[in-house]
Amino acid sequence: DAKTTQPPSMDCAEGRAANLPCNHSTISGNEYVYWYRQIHSQGPQYIIHGLKNNETNEMASLIITEDRKSSTLILPHATLRDTAVYYCIVRVGFSGTYKYIFGTGTRLKVLA
Amino acid sequence: DTGVSQNPRHKITKRGQNVTFRCDPISEHNRLYWYRQTLGQGPEFLTYFQNEAQLEKSRLLSDRFSAERPKGSFSTLEIQRTEQGDSAMYLCASSGDRAYEQYFGPGTRLTVT
Repeated sequence: DAKTTQPPSMDCAEGRAANLPCNHSTISGNEYVYWYRQIHSQGPQYIIHGLKNNETNEMASLIITEDRKSSTLILPHATLRDTAVYYCIVRVGFSGTYKYIFGTGTRLKVLA
Repeated sequence: DTGVSQNPRHKITKRGQNVTFRCDPISEHNRLYWYRQTLGQGPEFLTYFQNEAQLEKSRLLSDRFSAERPKGSFSTLEIQRTEQGDSAMYLCASSGDRAYEQYFGPGTRLTVT
């Protein structure tokens, strides 16, 4: 199964953009990249996902390199509530039978 | 709908005892997943149900672990003869036909003493 590699921790100033990188060099052509975050003592929360095109929603933007070996999650204006562990995930499987392969995540700390 | 719920939230048990956890998915979701998360690690996939059928089990799910989803609604995860290495957060997630997003519950934290 494809694996992801993320830096263990990052700091970001409140109000600034947080850019969280992820390497997934062994990803296969039909495997999606997902991002979830986990705030202490809660279950992971979905943020965004993509296959090969860049994606944007109300929470974040996802930039995937053309070779799909890496991606970056962008939180455009980080707030203190964005402090969490961010997981870059490869979704494997087919036709609704999916599972997530989580990495160890990046602990993002937003500083006032 | 209030999302995925899990009970109990915390469980402390002695080594060798059996424990059972319950997960209630979002009501219209037909897919249900169990994950295990140890301290400092990301969640690891354990097993997956579509309706009442258990379609995949991880190698992590030893013979002491069993999961059921008898009527395609709630699910239970049982661990027999618990060991200290079973101490972890057990997470349940569900998804519907728009299967790209899994909704996670708050987890059950198991401590084996």
